Amino acid sequence: GAVVSQHPSWVICKSGTSVKIECRSLDFQATTMFWYRQFPKQSLMLMATSNEGSKATYEQGVEKDKFLINHASLTLSTLTVTSAHPEDSSFYICSASLGQANQPQHFGDGTRLSIL
Amino acid sequence: DAKTTQPNSMESNEEEPVHLPCNHSTISGTDYIHWYRQLPSQGPEYVIHGLTSNVNNRMASLAIAEDRKSSTLILHRATLRDAAVYYCISGDGQNFVFGPGTRLSVLP
Repeated sequence: GAVVSQHPSWVICKSGTSVKIECRSLDFQATTMFWYRQFPKQSLMLMATSNEGSKATYEQGVEKDKFLINHASLTLSTLTVTSAHPEDSSFYICSASLGQANQPQHFGDGTRLSIL
Repeated sequence: DAKTTQPNSMESNEEEPVHLPCNHSTISGTDYIHWYRQLPSQGPEYVIHGLTSNVNNRMASLAIAEDRKSSTLILHRATLRDAAVYYCISGDGQNFVFGPGTRLSVLP
């Protein structure tokens, strides 16, 4: 199946630091990428949908100035958590797809972010 | 909000079939039904998807009701490695909202 690489897999940093997470589709051109966050024992919460070359569409309640998403190419999207604080600690997961209803999403392995 | 509802948890014995139900009563005509599963501390894994007809692949089968308001994921012989949270999603490819999913436990 299609491969999506997410990096880093985990990061620990001090409060106030900005953290960038990369999501790459390795063997197909992803028209659409999705970013999720997941708290322990909860489901995935969609943060934003990103189409290549366009601004990301953020879900209600997600601060776009806090979570910067860039999708400059068909194989790379980045999520930057700006001025991270302990409440931003979570498991962040990206996925990539061709953006059509009959195409599945392919997920990265997630990034565990811990803010001290 | 998620457009699907699933039981919170199910249990199965190893090597027995498992039928995981999903209701999607508000599904639109062009929405596909997708199933994913997630192991702890990993990203979800694609299982299967379909529109109207039943679908089979190496992992599972998907049985879709004639009115498309419900579907069932079928694992033909559950193994311990199938223990995971299973998510059913209906969508148009641009808006995937995950519900709580079904936590499947497989007993040896």
